[in-house]
Amino acid sequence: GEDVEQSLFLSVREGDSSVINCTYTDSSSTYLYWYKQEPGAGLQLLTYIFSNMDMKQDQRLTVLLNKKDKHLSLRIADTQTGDSAIYFCAETSNTGNQFYFGTGTSLTVIP
Amino acid sequence: GAVVSQHPSRVICKSGTSVKIECRSLDFQATTMFWYRQFPKQSLMLMATSNEGSKATYEQGVEKDKFLINHASLTLSTLTVTSAHPEDSSFYICSARDLGLAGGRGETQYFGPGTRLLVL
Repeated sequence: GEDVEQSLFLSVREGDSSVINCTYTDSSSTYLYWYKQEPGAGLQLLTYIFSNMDMKQDQRLTVLLNKKDKHLSLRIADTQTGDSAIYFCAETSNTGNQFYFGTGTSLTVIP
Repeated sequence: GAVVSQHPSRVICKSGTSVKIECRSLDFQATTMFWYRQFPKQSLMLMATSNEGSKATYEQGVEKDKFLINHASLTLSTLTVTSAHPEDSSFYICSARDLGLAGGRGETQYFGPGTRLLVL
């Protein structure tokens, strides 16, 4: 399968911005996604970006895509304690069926 | 919209018994559903793709006779863990695609809340 890599941990202070990074290998991916998982819960779709876009903003969330470098990032502005969770990036295979998930980044927000 | 439910949310069973997990799309039809397994502090691993009206497609290394999948209707897929053993203890998550959504969201998978299985 495709490799999707993320850093494992990130700690930020409440009110600061968080940037979670993701790299992938499939150059034919069509959509890239960010999901949030709180402890013991399923995955919540946060946002997604089509591969022909460079940036997408949705309230406190900003997604940047560098297709040349196969690098995706999620910026959370004004990070709150409720943002503490594991964040997964994912990309679809070229068939659009299979999702390849990153390893997940555990975000800890310090009050 | 695009809500996916799972039942049960958690189950404890004895080794050797079978456990059925249901995945339902509540407000949309899903011809394709997906079953994932997640070990503690790890990412999701796709187990199989469940296709309505046909056989499921299993990922390499997943035993189809152990993890039986039935996609009987456009809103329901079931995963049965047969003769469960302690190593089958895990968090099982299903997802579904809502192809009726426009603007690229039809490519999005919506996830259920997960089922935590503990086999004693």
